Amino acid sequence: SYELTQPPSVSVSPGQTANIPCSGDKLGDKYVCWYQQKPGQSPVLVMYQDRKRPSGIPERFSGSNSGNTATLTISGTQAMDEADYYCQAWDSSNGVFGTGTKVTVL
Amino acid sequence: QVQLQESGPGLVKPSQTLSVTCTVSGGSIRNGYNYYYWIRQPAGKGLEWVGRLYVSGTTDYNPSLKSRVTISADMSKDQFSLRLTSVTAADTAMYYCARGPPTDYYGIDVWGQGTTVTVSS
Repeated sequence: SYELTQPPSVSVSPGQTANIPCSGDKLGDKYVCWYQQKPGQSPVLVMYQDRKRPSGIPERFSGSNSGNTATLTISGTQAMDEADYYCQAWDSSNGVFGTGTKVTVL
Repeated sequence: QVQLQESGPGLVKPSQTLSVTCTVSGGSIRNGYNYYYWIRQPAGKGLEWVGRLYVSGTTDYNPSLKSRVTISADMSKDQFSLRLTSVTAADTAMYYCARGPPTDYYGIDVWGQGTTVTVSS
């Protein structure tokens, strides 16, 4: 079965850039979405089709996808961005979530 | 503004069948061309895609759960449901219902608040 791997944690200082990688076999051939989940809340879509932001998502969130790795980048990270982040892609008609990354803003 | 609300039994005994329902408000299931999803999350762990239903009735399921899962809809009530048979403790999780556009790569853009289901005797 298809798997998406993320680092368990990423730490970033306020105002700095956080890069969250998501790895999978030939992931660049697929489209990737990203979800943000804060404690006790439901996930929120923050990126779709690799690099497109839904309405209401700040411009500091951006995305890329090439080769075997997709990356969600948070520029000028703020304390409110501290959350778990999950990538997601489709393998045929099977939706696959990444293992998740906890972003800590120190 | 479409909203989704899950409802479920809270507690299910091992080997029995888990059934949870999602009520859609602010938009009719039959009048839109959307996918309707079930996603679950064990406490302290990651998200797991369970399956989805298209308005036409077509379903897709996680291969690891396919033999035990059924997703169906009651269009007259604007509800869709998840049925999971032969449950074990490993099925204990928060169960989210969600909605997404008919094109996969647009993502899942509306989520319910989730309902906790515990499998225990």
